[in-house]
Amino acid sequence: DQQVKQNSPSLSVQEGRISILNCDYTNSMFDYFLWYKKYPAEGPTFLISISSIKDKNEDGRFTVFLNKSAKHLSLHIVPSQPGDSAVYFCAARYTGNTGKLIFGQGTTLQVKP
Amino acid sequence: NAGVTQTPKFQVLKTGQSMTLQCAQDMNHNSMYWYRQDPGMGLRLIYYSASEGTTDKGEVPNGYNVSRLNKREFSLRLESAAPSQTSVYFCASSEGGAPDEQYFGPGTRLTVT
Repeated sequence: DQQVKQNSPSLSVQEGRISILNCDYTNSMFDYFLWYKKYPAEGPTFLISISSIKDKNEDGRFTVFLNKSAKHLSLHIVPSQPGDSAVYFCAARYTGNTGKLIFGQGTTLQVKP
Repeated sequence: NAGVTQTPKFQVLKTGQSMTLQCAQDMNHNSMYWYRQDPGMGLRLIYYSASEGTTDKGEVPNGYNVSRLNKREFSLRLESAAPSQTSVYFCASSEGGAPDEQYFGPGTRLTVT
């Protein structure tokens, strides 16, 4: 039973355009959602997070949107750059359970020059 | 400042052999984690340690044991390796609080034949 789902295994966009990565969840007991970025042969690195009481968080080119009623979040990258090509994981943290994260399957983003 | 280090980087085992994966962090973090990453499955939590002296099971603990040796070090042991344990293993650490972003090591690629 996958509690956090990323239904698109891959996404390809042109440099300079917007990349939108999606994530759905089923459990209402998550209090934070995080996005991680992973390059081949490296560990994931934290990108951006959002609290369940907010609907938007922005950090430079990266914005995360949360729609609690739909149990859906998305990561927008504007403008996309070739260096953004990586695997992106969304993760959800259980309320009151410090650190225990549930990850989605990941979406491979390719940004074409 | 090395962050999270893992040894070894690669390992090949025969079925039934045992081994210990080592992890150390130099960020004075309270919490440490072990994940495995399999194709199409994202990262799944094996065990975690919220603080020195405590360990708890994650999503997929069967076939593994852990030891939180001190605040810096958290090891993962496979007592009798099975082909189903072929995976990439990541160690992570975090300081606690919210959103409790985790810092990952570079991973250990394990193959069990």
